[in-house]
Amino acid sequence: KAGVTQTPRYLIKTRGQQVTLSCSPISGHRSVSWYQQTPGQGLQFLFEYFSETQRNKGNFPGRFSGRQFSNSRSEMNVSTLELGDSALYLCASSTGLAGAEQYFGPGTRLTVT
Amino acid sequence: GQQLNQSPQSMFIQEGEDVSMNCTSSSIFNTWLWYKQEPGEGPVLLIALYKAGELTSNGRLTAQFGITRKDSFLNISASIPSDVGIYFCAGQPYNNNDMRFGAGTRLTVKP
Repeated sequence: KAGVTQTPRYLIKTRGQQVTLSCSPISGHRSVSWYQQTPGQGLQFLFEYFSETQRNKGNFPGRFSGRQFSNSRSEMNVSTLELGDSALYLCASSTGLAGAEQYFGPGTRLTVT
Repeated sequence: GQQLNQSPQSMFIQEGEDVSMNCTSSSIFNTWLWYKQEPGEGPVLLIALYKAGELTSNGRLTAQFGITRKDSFLNISASIPSDVGIYFCAGQPYNNNDMRFGAGTRLTVKP
């Protein structure tokens, strides 16, 4: 069974631009969660999508948004990029059932200059 | 988000030594997970725990779901250089779908 894939793996953007990241979950998984990881803040939860609906949301500004498609693939968008948005963005796939394990993708390393 | 207390923050050990790390929470959890992350990669799931008192092994790794349901422990026996990485605990509260993460334990193994 193929694992979680994320594209692109690396991205360099300038302040003010926007970016879209993609995540394909494990086949059969209906939940995709997004996290931001930085050295100083660790893993911070952005949001979770389940069956095309946002089910949970972390404490991030509205510049961070996402969506999920009918095939469970998910995209995350960040608008008006700031230097502080530089981070490793990870998505995690699960069945979506209570207590289910999350499996992470390799991440997208975003650098904002 | 990050709401678990994980300790220690870092460990420097000699190859062959055993390692212990733990994670605590102020609330009761239904699930405890342990991950390992290497540089430039996403966290990889090592062990999943679902019942209080459960003890599960994965090779040289052993993890336990605390009896109080508010803590979990990970032990690595006879460490080797490839054990180097950051180990994260994660847990799901019983009344919430959120997955909470610890800050990680950075493990360095000296040959």
